[in-house]
Order: sequence, then structure tokens, then C-alpha cells
Amino acid sequence: DTEVTQTPKHLVMGMTNKKSLKCEQHMGHRAMYWYKQKAKKPPELMFVYSYEKLSINESVPSRFSPECPNSSLLNLHLHALQPEDSALYLCASSQDLFARPQHFGDGTRLSIL
Amino acid sequence: AQKVTQAQTEISVVEKEDVTLDCVYETRDTTYYLFWYKQPPSGELVFLIRRNSFDEQNEISGRYSWNFQKSTSSFNFTITASQVVDSAVYFCALSEAVASNYQLIWGAGTKLIIKP
Repeated sequence: DTEVTQTPKHLVMGMTNKKSLKCEQHMGHRAMYWYKQKAKKPPELMFVYSYEKLSINESVPSRFSPECPNSSLLNLHLHALQPEDSALYLCASSQDLFARPQHFGDGTRLSIL
Repeated sequence: AQKVTQAQTEISVVEKEDVTLDCVYETRDTTYYLFWYKQPPSGELVFLIRRNSFDEQNEISGRYSWNFQKSTSSFNFTITASQVVDSAVYFCALSEAVASNYQLIWGAGTKLIIKP
């Protein structure tokens, strides 16, 4: 069992829908990450939160909106997505930002119709 | 320029064979970290090991071993007596203290297939 929990595991949505991906960790980690992974590719970093503040935004389109309500939770709000946004979305956490091992959730497989 | 190269796209071996996954990296930082992650078909990325640039000592963990050589900028991963459960995509990654502000730079991954 992973220590980073992501919900839902699968999500199918239309291009006009609004949905949210959720991530939770209880390891006391202070850095949390969102990655996007396309098939047969390595993960691409999207956002990084450090101590609940947005630290890195890798030029992600505004249709993706991250939120970190507290040190254990990380959300990714989705709105008006495009078919090319279909991918595996992975959440990760680490003790801090300084090259600590990242612990990943199982991911959410997102399909945009 | 690619900073982490995993030249082997896919490797297929029969169970119980030994297999080595290659990783070559490029950096100008003197302080950096190297990682290996495993991604089974289920999707989650599993952390395997982290080495820092000041520690070239090789590491063994059960059937897994890692060979870090700064002289050749390589951090290779060997699985001894492979098992079907080792089938996965394996990623090597680099974290630099300065150039990439500690964010992970991933290799393209090597898909390992272990046949029974």
C-alpha cells in the first residue's frame, strides 16, 4: 500500500466539466508535487508546493489549478480540459524540497472525451 | 541537452537471468543526487535508491545492486536472479543542487520484461 493516497483512481470527463483530483499524505512531508505522465514517457513536473505555498509552476495552462488546503492535502482542479490532457496524474510528497526521495501515489488515470 | 540517458528502451530476459540497466547522466554541479524508481504496470512510482555525488560506494539491497562511477558519469542498476515481479519500467533521475534547484530530471525509462 502506498502512503500517498490519490482519488479518484479513474476519471472520465467532458471538455466542459469541472472536476478535482485529490491527494493526501500523512508522513509529515512538507513538499508535495503534481506530475503528468503520458504513456511510455517519464513524469512531467506540473506544480510543487513547499510548506503549503506554491513553489514551482512549470508553465502549466490555467485550466489546471492547484490548491494546498493544509500540509497533508493537495488538490488539482480541472476545468475545460482538452483531449491532449488525457494522462496519468501522479501526486508525490517528500520531506522537503532538497533532493529527498519522493513518494508517489497510485495516480489518477484521466480521460477527456 | 539530455541530462539523463537511459539508452536501453526495452530489455527482455528469462527469469533467473541477471540484468543491468544503464544510466548515464550529465551535470556541471558538484553536488547532485541520483535516483532509481520502479513503475510497475499498476502505475505507481516506487522509490528504490538515492545516492549523492560524494558517495561512490556501491550499494546492494537483496537482489538489487547499484554501481555509481563518477569517472564515466554512470549509475547502473543490476538485478540478480530476476523474477517476473521485476517486470516494470525503471527510471533513473538526477537532482542538481544548483542547475535544477533540486527538481528531478528524468531519464526516458527502460522497460524490463522478465519472461517466466
